[in-house]
Amino acid sequence: NAGVMQNPRHLVRRRGQEARLRCSPMKGHSHVYWYRQLPEEGLKFMVYLQKENIIDESGMPKERFSAEFPKEGPSILRIQQVVRGDSAAYFCASSPTGADTIYFGEGSWLTVV
Amino acid sequence: GESVGLHLPTLSVQEGDNSIINCAYSNSASDYFIWYKQESGKGPQFIIDIRSNMDKRQGQRVTVLLNKTVKHLSLQIAATQPGDSAVYFCAESTTGGGNKLTFGTGTQLKVEL
Repeated sequence: NAGVMQNPRHLVRRRGQEARLRCSPMKGHSHVYWYRQLPEEGLKFMVYLQKENIIDESGMPKERFSAEFPKEGPSILRIQQVVRGDSAAYFCASSPTGADTIYFGEGSWLTVV
Repeated sequence: GESVGLHLPTLSVQEGDNSIINCAYSNSASDYFIWYKQESGKGPQFIIDIRSNMDKRQGQRVTVLLNKTVKHLSLQIAATQPGDSAVYFCAESTTGGGNKLTFGTGTQLKVEL
């Protein structure tokens, strides 16, 4: 049973470009979460989604960041017009319901140059 | 705001000894707690969780203790092995489950041979 799959694992973008990070949850999981981790810091919650719905986006920056989890396909975290401060590891997690343990993927490391 | 923090940023132990990693939390409404292990360049790996209606839970070589009176959480690792070397994060939520976790900053566990 495959775990949470994230791609790309590493992404380099120039300032002003767009970054798209993809996440496929574990089989049978319909709840997806995105977290961001800055170097030597803990993870920070960004957004919680179910299929076609954003449940909680209280951790998302108000501008340039968006997330979706369509009926078909992976969840996407999109960062427009990236800046150097967006450089971080972005982790996706999933769970079967919103009241369960969540399991993380291996992360996508974004570097903005 | 509410926060979760760790007492010791780095913990060094001898192989075979027991390790204790401590965590303080400040949100008295937290009802779910979880420990993750993170190795360099990888995603957080679930270790053990506990709900607020319990004060102790055991897994394989690990035990989590919860003291709600002083808002303290600890992770005990028995017979620490070199493979246990990693950063350990505690996290908490007020939702009864793993969604919208608040993470501490992490403790680096170093196992000396």
